[in-house]
Amino acid sequence: DIVMTQSPDSLAVSLGERATINCKSSQTVLYSSSNKNYLAWYQQRPGQPPNLLMSWASTRESGVPDRFSGSGSGTDFTLTISSLQAEDVAVYYCQQYYTTPWTFGQGTKVEIK
Amino acid sequence: EVQLLESGGGLVQPGGSLRLSCAASGFTTYAMTWVRQAPGKGLDWVSAISSNGGSTFYADSVKGRFTISRDISKNMLYLQMNSLRVEDTAVYYCARSQGWGDLDYWGQGTLVTVSS
Repeated sequence: DIVMTQSPDSLAVSLGERATINCKSSQTVLYSSSNKNYLAWYQQRPGQPPNLLMSWASTRESGVPDRFSGSGSGTDFTLTISSLQAEDVAVYYCQQYYTTPWTFGQGTKVEIK
Repeated sequence: EVQLLESGGGLVQPGGSLRLSCAASGFTTYAMTWVRQAPGKGLDWVSAISSNGGSTFYADSVKGRFTISRDISKNMLYLQMNSLRVEDTAVYYCARSQGWGDLDYWGQGTLVTVSS
């Protein structure tokens, strides 16, 4: 199974400041023939189901604010919130869908400092 | 509007069975997935089924105990859970697979509690 490891487990950022979440996979999730990374990012606010933010590592979903961006390839990925807003308080998960079993990172809790 | 509504959760004793249902509306013919979340814990992929129901996939932790199925005519997704264990206690979400494993719509979840 591909193990997804996120860092840090939690972070506190001031409003308007940048938040950076890292995700590392135990093996590549880049499918060479398509040059696509099978990596998604989700946001889960308290008491809510997860919400898809990014697919293919860096493709923002419709309706997701452009302060959210995804980057990386192969085994190392980053989710960046360029200017943290109060509504961004949540737990963020990365997920690989390169191969089953699809696996999630353990989550990163983002709070306001 | 895409909607997913799970039902069928509840309290069951270890070794018991439950059948979860997910009523889908606003779309047809997408692969579908079950993901669970134990209380206070992270997300755990359980099972997926292809758009035509011809292919199914399971996490090792549920293989042989859980069965995913769908009724395309009714736009329903199911998860038959047998030989339930205490560690299966979780909120179970059904989710739509946008392309393959990227899950773009989620239900609100149904709580399964396995306890004596």
